[in-house]
This record gives sequence, C-alpha cells and structure tokens, in this order.
Amino acid sequence: AQSVTQLGSHVSVSEGALVLLRCNYSSSVPPYLFWYVQYPNQGLQLLLKYTSAATLVKGINGFEAEFKKSETSFHLTKPSAHMSDAAEYFCAVSAPRGANNLFFGTGTRLTVIP
Amino acid sequence: SQTIHQWPATLVQPVGSPLSLECTVEGTSNPNLYWYRQAAGRGLQLLFYSVGIGQISSEVPQNLSASRPQDRQFILSSKKLLLSDSGFYLCAWRDKPYEQYFGPGTRLTVT
Repeated sequence: AQSVTQLGSHVSVSEGALVLLRCNYSSSVPPYLFWYVQYPNQGLQLLLKYTSAATLVKGINGFEAEFKKSETSFHLTKPSAHMSDAAEYFCAVSAPRGANNLFFGTGTRLTVIP
Repeated sequence: SQTIHQWPATLVQPVGSPLSLECTVEGTSNPNLYWYRQAAGRGLQLLFYSVGIGQISSEVPQNLSASRPQDRQFILSSKKLLLSDSGFYLCAWRDKPYEQYFGPGTRLTVT
C-alpha cells in the first residue's frame, strides 16, 4: 500500500528565504511521486513528478525535489521564496504498475512573509 | 491541448435538496476520471473514479453517487444533501501514467 506523510501543516518563510516542504512516502514497490500546488479556491496544479528517471526533479516556478530512496523522502525546495509562492502544497504517491489512483498527503500551507 | 471544465463554480443548497455537479474533459479520449472532496482545512478525499463509460468505483460509502454517461463526462450526484457534504469538489483526469490534472473545482455550501 502507498501513503505519504507531509511534516508540518503550516510553514512560514521570509521572502527570499529557502523553501523546504517535507514529504515522506511509504510504498511496497518503487513509487512515482508528485508535488501539486493549490492556490485559494482553485484546482491543483502539477509542480513536478518523479517517475524513476533522474532523482533530482525540476519543476515549474523554480521548484525542485529530490528522490531519496534510503530516506523514503521527496522533499520540495526552492532557493528563494516569492510572495506568489504562498499556497497549499500536496505530495502524492502512486504505484508504477496497474494503479489507477494517487494517494495524497494532507497538505502544507506555505506563508511567505514580506 | 487538454482542458477540464467543472460547473457550477459555486453552489449553495439547503439540506435535503438534490445535487448534480458536472465535469467534462476536452482534448483526450478514454481518460480515467476522478472526483475528490476537500473539506475545510482537510486534504483531498477520493470519492469516485472511473476507467470508462458506465464504470464507477466508489472509495467512500456515503450519500453521493457518480455516473459517466459519456467518455469525457463525469457527474457527481446526491438525492438528499447533508450538512457534511459541504466542501470543495474537484474533478481530475488522467491518460498517461500517473499524473492527474485537476479542474477548477466547485465550492458547495449546504445550509
């Protein structure tokens, strides 16, 4: 079975500071992993995905994430936070074969302080 | 390119009234389709998914139902709404493994 845990339901950073959002996964098979972003009253937008190619994945808006099998982690980072990054972020996992569904974490709300 | 539509965008309904939310996808064929719900301050809860016309899998037993009358149309319904049905309803589609793409959502308030 697959699941994800997002550590910290709320994260606050200053504008220009490093953004680090944590995601740990549990999977009985090598996983596919995703990060989504949700702005208020909008749907989810795919930021980036890991599908067993390069372990360091670059996404939109300057975000990137690194797949670490030994730590079962897929943390999301951005070197310098911008005010427009304030949103809710969701990590998700899927089994690579025969799976129809994604399993989402409970989300992390990012606040950027000017 | 593919686009996904949901309507209505917002809805206020009294307890006990029926519900019908619609989702349509353009630019793809035979997608997997999904309905999720977000309650206030909570994560995403998968309600239903469909791998084809007339094929519906229910993830959570409740007073909601889903139907897929056409390849790119997915409908979420209820005969009698409960207060606990309030939330933000999201439709999503998937063709290639395994990312899903989400619609703009419907904000439902049951009063």
